[in-house]
Amino acid sequence: AQTVTQSQPEMSVQEAETVTLSCTYDTSESDYYLFWYKQPPSRQMILVIRQEAYKQQNATENRFSVNFQKAAKSFSLKISDSQLGDAAMYFCAYRSATGANSKLTFGKGITLSVRP
Amino acid sequence: EPEVTQTPSHQVTQMGQEVILRCVPISNHLYFYWYRQILGQKVEFLVSFYNNEISEKSEIFDDQFSVERPDGSNFTLKIRSTKLEDSAMYFCASSERAYNSPLHFGNGTRLTVT
Repeated sequence: AQTVTQSQPEMSVQEAETVTLSCTYDTSESDYYLFWYKQPPSRQMILVIRQEAYKQQNATENRFSVNFQKAAKSFSLKISDSQLGDAAMYFCAYRSATGANSKLTFGKGITLSVRP
Repeated sequence: EPEVTQTPSHQVTQMGQEVILRCVPISNHLYFYWYRQILGQKVEFLVSFYNNEISEKSEIFDDQFSVERPDGSNFTLKIRSTKLEDSAMYFCASSERAYNSPLHFGNGTRLTVT
């Protein structure tokens, strides 16, 4: 079974600075998908960014980018120019590329606070 | 942009009562899921559903739980006899494809069992 580990329960960043959130995963599969979801205080789950394992190029979405290291099974999220609205819980998630209906497996999440 | 909608947003029920949580997935999505999140904790998989069948279920999804797609739009989660430990946020999600697309989540239903 796949597991996703987010070992840092909390992080803090100064507004306008850059922060990196760590995630590692364990799998025996070679093809899969990785995601970061944001959960603000409203509790909604919002997709931030996704990465296909077969792509070597790291995904980027505006201020959000990932550092995907397939051999190390590492998938970190970098937030540049942090804004107050980035304060939220962030979940790393894994989705297998096999099976008829593949679920998302989440890490425990990390709470990010942004200092003004 | 299409959304997954969940009702109600908050449900309070007494222990032992039945509850039905409702979801309307995105219209062209074929894969459906329920997750739950006990306050401030991990998001846990309950069940996945495709082609009117359960694809996979977790250990949490015991005989007290059931899912149904009664018509072409709704996807429901029923808890037959609620326990205090069922208090959590329940999220419905849908996906366009089996694996190479993200899950889109609803805003959740906060279930409080007293």
